[in-house]
Amino acid sequence: EAGVTQFPSHSVIEKGQTVTLRCDPISGHDNLYWYRRVMGKEIKFLLHFVKESKQDESGMPNNRFLAERTGGTYSTLKVQPAELEDSGVYFCASSQDTRKVRPSGRARYNEQFFGPGTRLTVL
Amino acid sequence: AQTVTQSQPEMSVQEAETVTLSCTYDTSESDYYLFWYKQPPSRQMILVIRQEAYKQQNATENRFSVNFQKAAKSFSLKISDSQLGDAAMYFCAYDYGGATNKLIFGTGTLLAVQP
Repeated sequence: EAGVTQFPSHSVIEKGQTVTLRCDPISGHDNLYWYRRVMGKEIKFLLHFVKESKQDESGMPNNRFLAERTGGTYSTLKVQPAELEDSGVYFCASSQDTRKVRPSGRARYNEQFFGPGTRLTVL
Repeated sequence: AQTVTQSQPEMSVQEAETVTLSCTYDTSESDYYLFWYKQPPSRQMILVIRQEAYKQQNATENRFSVNFQKAAKSFSLKISDSQLGDAAMYFCAYDYGGATNKLIFGTGTLLAVQP
């Protein structure tokens, strides 16, 4: 079974340009996540799709970032216009179906599988 | 707000020796998950081990084990009999178990394994 794939692996663009990153989750995974790691810092959550709907986009930095997941399959993350601080590695992850809740009220574990990331450099 | 701290940016270990990577976290929740992820150079991140906070027993996966100290909010990873293939960036992560399942990561520890 193919894992999570991301394209491109590297992208170098100039400030002000537009870049679109793509993520193909594991087939059948309803949940898709985007994360970003800026050089030397922690990996930060950007947003979460359940199928084609945005479940949580609290981590999106600003309105220059637009994520879509048409048809609930692959997702794209567009940065327009790109700024220097957008440089970093963008990770995509996917997990299976809707999270189930334990008797305690907390959700059951639902492993996220990560792609190799896209390294974005904005000059 | 939940945070995860990894205070060791880099570590080094001799092949066949044991190394411990540190992780502390801050949360007001009582039921959550903790993870260690490994990212080899130019490869994707994989889950090494997970711990469920309501379980007192420390998780183990072959040569990997954790020391989970809930009261101290500490979650260290011990790698025994280190191998060259263990060289990677290791990330500690937290999931409070909410509906969105988002992970909160530390800054990572780069582990070098010396032959």
